[in-house]
Amino acid sequence: AQTVTQSQPEMSVQEAETVTLSCTYDTSENNYYLFWYKQPPSRQMILVIRQEAYKQQNATENRFSVNFQKAAKSFSLKISDSQLGDTAMYFCAFASMNRDDKIIFGKGTRLHILP
Amino acid sequence: GAGVSQSPSNKVTEKGKDVELRCDPISGHTALYWYRQSLGQGLEFLIYFQGNSAPDKSGLPSDRFSAERTGGSVSTLTIQRTQQEDSAVYLCASSLVGPRRGGELFFGEGSRLTVL
Repeated sequence: AQTVTQSQPEMSVQEAETVTLSCTYDTSENNYYLFWYKQPPSRQMILVIRQEAYKQQNATENRFSVNFQKAAKSFSLKISDSQLGDTAMYFCAFASMNRDDKIIFGKGTRLHILP
Repeated sequence: GAGVSQSPSNKVTEKGKDVELRCDPISGHTALYWYRQSLGQGLEFLIYFQGNSAPDKSGLPSDRFSAERTGGSVSTLTIQRTQQEDSAVYLCASSLVGPRRGGELFFGEGSRLTVL
């Protein structure tokens, strides 16, 4: 069974700094998707970024980028020039390309951006 | 609205009562998911529907939990004989395509269940 582990329950950084959130996963599969979702306080969860495992190039979306290390089964999220609006819970998630049954989430990292 | 709609947004019930939670996905989204979010436990996968079918029901915590989806649209999650440990936020999400195609999930605001 696949598992997703986020080892940092909570983090705080100053506004404008760069922060990296960690995610590791366990799977025996070779083809899959990885995601980062953001849940702002009292607001709905939204997709931040998506990575296909067959792509070597790391995905980027404006200030958000990932460091995907397939061999190490690591998928960290880097937020550059952090803003107050980045304060949220961040969840890492996994979906197999071979099975159409579920998307597995980690326990999340609560990120505080300090003014 | 165009988003995923969940009702009720808040439900307080007594232990032993049955509750029904409803999810109205985005029109045209074939994939629908239920998750449970408890403090410190992240998102626990409950069930996934592709159309009206659920390929994997093993995420449901016990036989007190059931879910159905009708007409490829609205879904209901039913919890029978509620227990205090069922207290959580129940999130519904929908997607244009299923997980094997990496579809983006669109989440509702959740139904907060409190069992006294």
